[in-house]
Amino acid sequence: EVQLEQSGAVVKKPGESLKISCKGSGYIFTNYWIGWVRQMPGKGLEWMGIIYPGDSDTKYSPSFQGQVTISTDTSISTAYLQWNSLKASDTAIYYCARQPTYSSAPYYFPYWGQGTLITVSS
Amino acid sequence: EIVLTQSPGTLSLSPGERATLSCRASQSVSSSYLAWYQHQPGQAPRLLIYAASSRATGIPDRFSGSGSGTDFTLTISRLEPEDFAVYYCQQYGNSPFTFGPGSKLDIK
Repeated sequence: EVQLEQSGAVVKKPGESLKISCKGSGYIFTNYWIGWVRQMPGKGLEWMGIIYPGDSDTKYSPSFQGQVTISTDTSISTAYLQWNSLKASDTAIYYCARQPTYSSAPYYFPYWGQGTLITVSS
Repeated sequence: EIVLTQSPGTLSLSPGERATLSCRASQSVSSSYLAWYQHQPGQAPRLLIYAASSRATGIPDRFSGSGSGTDFTLTISRLEPEDFAVYYCQQYGNSPFTFGPGSKLDIK
C-alpha cells in the first residue's frame, strides 16, 4: 500500500529556516514523482512544485521558484520542502502527493500525505 | 501558465439533486490532462477524475467528468451527504500544473 507520512505541525518565527518531510513507503521511492501543494488559511490548493527522486529533476511553479527548495534523500525514501527565511505569509498547510502508478502524464496525484501545518508568527 | 477558472464559486443543493461544476482553462489543456479532486475540511484532497473523464480507483459512478480543450465539467448525478465539500480542477499538461480556485458545494 502506498503511504506518504508527513512530519508534524510546527510553529516558527519570521526569518527562521525550516525543512519539512514526506516519507514514502509501499513502493519504489525513486520511480515516482512527488509534489508539494500549499493551502493557505481559508484558501484553495496551490501547486508548488514536483521532483523525480530518481534523478532529482525538479519543476517549480514560478510563484514558488526561489522561495522554497524541494529535495529528496533516496536512502530514506523521503522528500523535503525547505525555507531559508520564513515569512508570516508562509503560514499554511503543506501537502505532499505522489504521481499515479501508471500514466502517460504523471503529474496528477492519487496519493496524498496527511498535510503539515506550518504557523509563522512572532 | 494556464489559469483555471471554476464556477460557480458556491453551489447550494440538497441531497439527491444533481450538481454540475465547471472548469475553464485560459488555453487548451493538452490531451485533456485535467483532474478533479474533492477536499473535505481536515482531510487530504481525494482524486476523483483524471484525463478529464476517467474515474479514479474506488470512486462511485455518480461522479463523472467530461470536456476537452478549454471547457470541462464535473457532474455528481445524485448528491449524497458526504459529497458536500470543495472541488478543485487541476491541469497537468503544461508545467506549472495549476489548480483552479475551487467550487464549494454546500447543503441547501
